[in-house]
Amino acid sequence: NAGVMQNPRHLVRRRGQEARLRCSPMKGHSHVYWYRQLPEEGLKFMVYLQKENIIDESGMPKERFSAEFPKEGPSILRIQQVVRGDSAAYFCASSPTSFRHEQYFGPGTRLTVT
Amino acid sequence: AQKVTQAQTEISVVEKEDVTLDCVYETRDTTYYLFWYKQPPSGELVFLIRRNSFDEQNEISGRYSWNFQKSTSSFNFTITASQVVDSAVYFCALSEQSFGNEKLTFGTGTRLTIIP
Repeated sequence: NAGVMQNPRHLVRRRGQEARLRCSPMKGHSHVYWYRQLPEEGLKFMVYLQKENIIDESGMPKERFSAEFPKEGPSILRIQQVVRGDSAAYFCASSPTSFRHEQYFGPGTRLTVT
Repeated sequence: AQKVTQAQTEISVVEKEDVTLDCVYETRDTTYYLFWYKQPPSGELVFLIRRNSFDEQNEISGRYSWNFQKSTSSFNFTITASQVVDSAVYFCALSEQSFGNEKLTFGTGTRLTIIP
């Protein structure tokens, strides 16, 4: 049973470009959480999605960031017009259902903006 | 609002010493879960333990032990006979139950260095 997959593992973008981060949850998991870890900091919640629905995006910056979790395929975190401050590690976690408090983390995507 | 405080930013101990990492949390809920994660230099997050608010029993797993005290809102983590492989950043986290949303609130982490 494969774990949570994230790709790419490392991504380098120039200022102004778009970054697309992918997260494939564990098989049978329909809940996805995205977290961001800025350098030398803890993880901060960004967004919680279920299949085809954004449930909570209270941690996501209002501009340039968007997330989706389509019926088929991975969850995507999209950052438009990246700036240096977006450089961070982005982790996704998947969960099979609610009310179990189990989140399985992927290895993370390290985004570097030059 | 929920909050997790890890007051120890960095700790260094000599190998084989015991070390305790502190975690204090704030929540208004009566039902919640507490977690510890390890982040080694390679960067991934390694799950260590999950504890719900109704279970105040301390837990031991090999050299690791956890002390949950609801009265002081603390969930401390002790490593006995530390080893170099224990060097990592350790995060404490909290989740509440809010209409199925179990997002985690993390502390800022404690960087543990074991000196050989």
